[in-house]
Amino acid sequence: RKEVEQDPGPFNVPEGATVAFNCTYSNSASQSFFWYRQDCRKEPKLLMSVYSSGNEDGRFTAQLNRASQYISLLIRDSKLSDSATYLCVVNDMNRDDKIIFGKGTRLHILP
Amino acid sequence: EAGVTQSPTHLIKTRGQQATLRCSPISGHTSVYWYQQALGLGLQFLLWYDEGEERNRGNFPPRFSGRQFPNYSSELNVNALELEDSALYLCASSGIGQGILEPQHFGDGTRLSIL
Repeated sequence: RKEVEQDPGPFNVPEGATVAFNCTYSNSASQSFFWYRQDCRKEPKLLMSVYSSGNEDGRFTAQLNRASQYISLLIRDSKLSDSATYLCVVNDMNRDDKIIFGKGTRLHILP
Repeated sequence: EAGVTQSPTHLIKTRGQQATLRCSPISGHTSVYWYQQALGLGLQFLLWYDEGEERNRGNFPPRFSGRQFPNYSSELNVNALELEDSALYLCASSGIGQGILEPQHFGDGTRLSIL
């Protein structure tokens, strides 16, 4: 099993729809989780941290499921500007300090 | 507040040469990370420096090396350049709070092209 795995997509979603994608991780001791957004030929930008209790920021909701070892990102009322690649990041500070980025999920919002 | 800055923006080298890439972290951040983003391969972790020490390195050959200076800026050096080293090299910085990694903030990257 890969350390961090994401469905590469692309997810083609009509504007206004709700879309969700997951990211699975293999190390149960992982402690920090983040979602980043990367536009074409740009650097990744932090979208949100993922907390154990789940967290919401406007149209975006992130959740962590430790039992099944995945994090999820839900985007409601999707906008054309949400088109991007979404990267998940998993880190375990206690075990050899590994920081692992998923390869990303491509999202295309269709007008 | 200034973000993470990287230089140069573009770097063109030939096989066998050496390249030096530079990164200045956000003020107050002590950790600097280097990543390689090659076409189709996603973001690959290269190196992590914190407080001047190398904390971890990814699965790259020894010709990829770097250092972190007392002011927390960092250099990435790539020796004996090969064609497959052509990629976007991203630097990120973060703080470390209470043993938990804080989110990383990225620079715009250096695009290295090997001819």
